[in-house]
Amino acid sequence: KAGVTQTPRYLIKTRGQQVTLSCSPISGHRSVSWYQQTPGQGLQFLFEYFSETQRNKGNFPGRFSGRQFSNSRSEMNVSTLELGDSALYLCASSLVGGPEQFFGPGTRLTVL
Amino acid sequence: DQQVKQNSPSLSVQEGRISILNCDYTNSMFDYFLWYKKYPAEGPTFLISISSIKDKNEDGRFTVFLNKSAKHLSLHIVPSQPGDSAVYFCAASNAYSGAGSYQLTFGKGTKLSVIP
Repeated sequence: KAGVTQTPRYLIKTRGQQVTLSCSPISGHRSVSWYQQTPGQGLQFLFEYFSETQRNKGNFPGRFSGRQFSNSRSEMNVSTLELGDSALYLCASSLVGGPEQFFGPGTRLTVL
Repeated sequence: DQQVKQNSPSLSVQEGRISILNCDYTNSMFDYFLWYKKYPAEGPTFLISISSIKDKNEDGRFTVFLNKSAKHLSLHIVPSQPGDSAVYFCAASNAYSGAGSYQLTFGKGTKLSVIP
């Protein structure tokens, strides 16, 4: 069974731009969560989607948004990029949203 | 305010010996705890978990211990192998508002180096 895939793996943007990251969960998994990993803050929860609905949201500004499609694939969008948005963005999937989540390799975003 | 803390950023252990990684938490609402292992350029990989109704869970060389009164958990790896060298993250969760959603709160990780 294929694991969680994320595209692109690396991305370089400039301040003020917007970016869209994509995540394909493990086949059959309906819950997708997004996390941001930075050296200073560690791994922080962004949001979770289940059946195309956002069920849970972390403490991030409204510039961070996401959505989930009917095939459970998910995208997250960051608008008006800031230097501090440079991070590894990780997507995780689980069957219905349980605590044991399976992570993708991440998208490394660099904002210049 | 860090709800999950891993106070040792790094740990070095000889091959064959025991590795003990520690984690403390402050939120008494956490009811499920997990350990993840992360290699460079890869996402975290689930290793082992424990529910708050238990105090020990074993899986092969890995054992997790939970002390609820002390709000402390630990991961024991016996015997340690060079392939265990990675960053280990402790994570805690609780059901969110009964919606069936579990949000993981992570520690900042401990880098384990197993020396051959």
